[in-house]
Amino acid sequence: DTAVSQTPKYLVTQMGNDKSIKCEQNLGHDTMYWYKQDSKKFLKIMFSYNNKELIINETVPNRFSPKSPDKAHLNLHINSLELGDSAVYFCASSPRGETQYFGPGTRLLVL
Amino acid sequence: GENVEQHPSTLSVQEGDSAVIKCTYSDSASNYFPWYKQELGKRPQLIIDIRSNVGEKKDQRIAVTLNKTAKHFSLHITETQPEDSAVYFCAASKGNQFYFGTGTSLTVIP
Repeated sequence: DTAVSQTPKYLVTQMGNDKSIKCEQNLGHDTMYWYKQDSKKFLKIMFSYNNKELIINETVPNRFSPKSPDKAHLNLHINSLELGDSAVYFCASSPRGETQYFGPGTRLLVL
Repeated sequence: GENVEQHPSTLSVQEGDSAVIKCTYSDSASNYFPWYKQELGKRPQLIIDIRSNVGEKKDQRIAVTLNKTAKHFSLHITETQPEDSAVYFCAASKGNQFYFGTGTSLTVIP
């Protein structure tokens, strides 16, 4: 009965590969987010989706694309992975204007 | 857009002492201010939050104050314990837009 779940937990891949991270929430929240946390621990918002519509895109490279098949899912696709993409990626969800609930994170390492 | 600044970036205190972390924001329309604690290798988790119509909120050893006029809010932890050691993030929000501070790494020395 995990509220926000992500898969995989760890992802090790070669430069140039394409990968996806999945996120699911069972809280009935309207908005979902993707964050990137680098080695300095900064939490940088990448995308948010509200009722299947993209409402924030913080100028991330277009190699990153969010896909939301329904309100409970927001997946992150990354094309042509680069070394600098290595980070922890957190999915989160929230009801409008309320606190965010984070997933456990996906630790991506690009070799 | 919103700009949230957080200070200090690192903080060390002796066990039992108090810790204070401060944040400022730029958008006067922001109306929700949560604080998150992130332990090593874990996800950020909400510890306390405050809305713009409230000046102070307390939950056991943790309190948050908000000064809307000056656009700053602070986290206060009293009687710190080693398990309080973590990275703390403030955030400012309006609607679905959340803006996080850069984090404070708190170390409580036994």
